[in-house]
Amino acid sequence: RKEVEQDPGPFNVPEGATVAFNCTYSNSASQSFFWYRQDCRKEPKLLMSVYSSGNEDGRFTAQLNRASQYISLLIRDSKLSDSATYLCVVNTNGGSQGNLIFGKGTKLSVKP
Amino acid sequence: EADIYQTPRYLVIGTGKKITLECSQTMGHDKMYWYQQDPGMELHLIHYSYGVNSTEKGDLSSESTVSRIRTEHFPLTLESARPSHTSQYLCASSGTPTYNEQFFGPGTRLTVL
Repeated sequence: RKEVEQDPGPFNVPEGATVAFNCTYSNSASQSFFWYRQDCRKEPKLLMSVYSSGNEDGRFTAQLNRASQYISLLIRDSKLSDSATYLCVVNTNGGSQGNLIFGKGTKLSVKP
Repeated sequence: EADIYQTPRYLVIGTGKKITLECSQTMGHDKMYWYQQDPGMELHLIHYSYGVNSTEKGDLSSESTVSRIRTEHFPLTLESARPSHTSQYLCASSGTPTYNEQFFGPGTRLTVL
């Protein structure tokens, strides 16, 4: 089983749609979780850190379920500019010394 | 916005050449990382450093080497480039004590002919 698994997509949605991405992780000791966004041929950029049971930032909501080892990202009222690949990222060893494990990413394409 | 820089942004070079990819950050971060990513594929950690004079190999075996003589600088060197080294190389740094968020440079796209 891969350490971090995501649905690869692509998700093709119309503008204004709500879209949800799911991610599962295998290491129950993982302590911190993130969503990154990566545009085509660009570097990953931090979208959200996921704290405790989850958090919201404008149109974006991240949820964490430690019991099920599951993280989600919800995008409401999607925009054309949301088109990108979304990476689920987990700090596997916990705390500040752990390295990040990146999922393969879920590709989102928002159409007019 | 993170202040992490990579040069060159693009490099096309012949087989057998020695190359050094530069990475610098101005945030005073202790931890720095090198990732390799092929188009449409996932990131793979190839080297990391938790501070000056500390370097470790990552999950993906790489023929490259790194050094960390100064906090802000983490160069990656390939002694003899081969076509199999063609890829995008991304440098990142982290300074948060708890959550380890990483911030990435713009990357170097390397093509070895």
